[in-house]
Amino acid sequence: EAQVTQNPRYLITVTGKKLTVTCSQNMNHEYMSWYRQDPGLGLRQIYYSMNVEVTDKGDVPEGYKVSRKEKRNFPLILESPSPNQTSLYFCASSPQGYGELFFGEGSRLTVL
Amino acid sequence: GENVEQHPSTLSVQEGDSAVIKCTYSDSASNYFPWYKQELGKRPQLIIDIRSNVGEKKDQRIAVTLNKTAKHFSLHITETQPEDSAVYFCAASKEVSSASKIIFGSGTRLSIRP
Repeated sequence: EAQVTQNPRYLITVTGKKLTVTCSQNMNHEYMSWYRQDPGLGLRQIYYSMNVEVTDKGDVPEGYKVSRKEKRNFPLILESPSPNQTSLYFCASSPQGYGELFFGEGSRLTVL
Repeated sequence: GENVEQHPSTLSVQEGDSAVIKCTYSDSASNYFPWYKQELGKRPQLIIDIRSNVGEKKDQRIAVTLNKTAKHFSLHITETQPEDSAVYFCAASKEVSSASKIIFGSGTRLSIRP
């Protein structure tokens, strides 16, 4: 089954404790992206990647890192999480960076 | 930078009536405009999209119109049903191979009254 898989789905952590949210797609898509969803703000792009070893900042990259060492994986790293990073995070992929985005199920992160 | 504004933020319509959601974009080079539906607790999913070479596209009860001159596009849902209740997001992007930033609107929460 074609899908985008994120883990963990839910996480409560404390300020400053490094965490990684994994994202994997099995559709051989070139493009992958991370979004955060906050009430009233819609979906804001954090980082995106057009291909392996190619990443670029979205609109809200501060406090986040990403890597694209393999085509299928695009982890989101929070080196020192802060409460303002409490949010619902979505990973998405598409064949080439335009056209339909396929979203993962979302990861709800709470930073205390 | 590119900005997409979406209105209204909430919309309540009687079942069977029509619903219209409007978006404006700032970058005149944008040429791809998708709409996503997000049901409660679920992921966003594409419901319809339009490219800048057409002015209107329909798929059963949903349609999207695009006015490139005014830089706005709209989602129209006719004969609304309870399952249309969801948050709807518009988006805009440029279909180029070198880079792709997809900018979303802030979302519209649509409620269908029985």
